[in-house]
Amino acid sequence: EAGVAQSPRYKIIEKRQSVAFWCNPISGHATLYWYQQILGQGPKLLIQFQNNGVVDDSQLPKDRFSAERLKGVDSTLKIQPAKLEDSAVYLCASSAQRGNNSPLHFGNGTRLTVT
Amino acid sequence: AQSVTQPDIHITVSEGASLELRCNYSYGATPYLFWYVQSPGQGLQLLLKYFSGDTLVQGIKGFEAEFKRSQSSFNLRKPSVHWSDAAEYFCAVGAGSARQLTFGSGTQLTVLP
Repeated sequence: EAGVAQSPRYKIIEKRQSVAFWCNPISGHATLYWYQQILGQGPKLLIQFQNNGVVDDSQLPKDRFSAERLKGVDSTLKIQPAKLEDSAVYLCASSAQRGNNSPLHFGNGTRLTVT
Repeated sequence: AQSVTQPDIHITVSEGASLELRCNYSYGATPYLFWYVQSPGQGLQLLLKYFSGDTLVQGIKGFEAEFKRSQSSFNLRKPSVHWSDAAEYFCAVGAGSARQLTFGSGTQLTVLP
C-alpha cells in the first residue's frame, strides 16, 4: 500500500511571498487532514476534509491560509502572504471512512522556512 | 476540549535499558489514545492505539502501553531499548473518534551506546 505522498519536501521563501503544498492521500481514504508542526511542538490540526467537503477548519488562519480538495482525492494547502511564524513542517494525513476507529496515516511532511 | 501532557521533554537511556514515556490526558469520556513516533525528517508512524477493552495494548517494534483511567494516563513502555528507537514520541488523544486528534508536545528519546 502506497503511503501518503507530499511535495515538496522543503521550501524556503521570503516573508510576504506565497507558497503551496500538495498532498496525495492513501488510495480510498476519504478523510484528509493538514497539520502544522512548529519546531518543538506536537502537530496541530489546521483543516480536515471528508471527501471534498470541509469538516473542521476552526484552527486555520483563514486570512492567509487556504486549502482545497476539489475532486475528493488530492489536496493543496496555500499560504499567502507568508509570515515568519509560519515556519514549520506541514503534515498531511489520511484515514479511511469506515467507523470511528481508523487511525491516521501521515506523510513525511513539507518543511517550510520563511526568512 | 481534550488535552495531552507529556511531562518529559527529553529522556536519555542506555541501549538495552527499559523505557517508560509518560502521557497524561484530559477528556471527559473514554478517549481514543495513540502513540506515534517521528524520526528526523519523517512523518509520524503509529506505534499503538487504545479504543476499548484490554487496557494493556501491544504495538509495533516491541512497544506496549497501559491505559489507566484512574490516573488519566497512557504511558508507553519498552523492556529493552535499541539504538534505532532514538526518535521523538508523541502521545495523542481523540475525542470520540480516532480522527480528530490532539497531540502532546512530544518526548525526544536519546539512546546511548
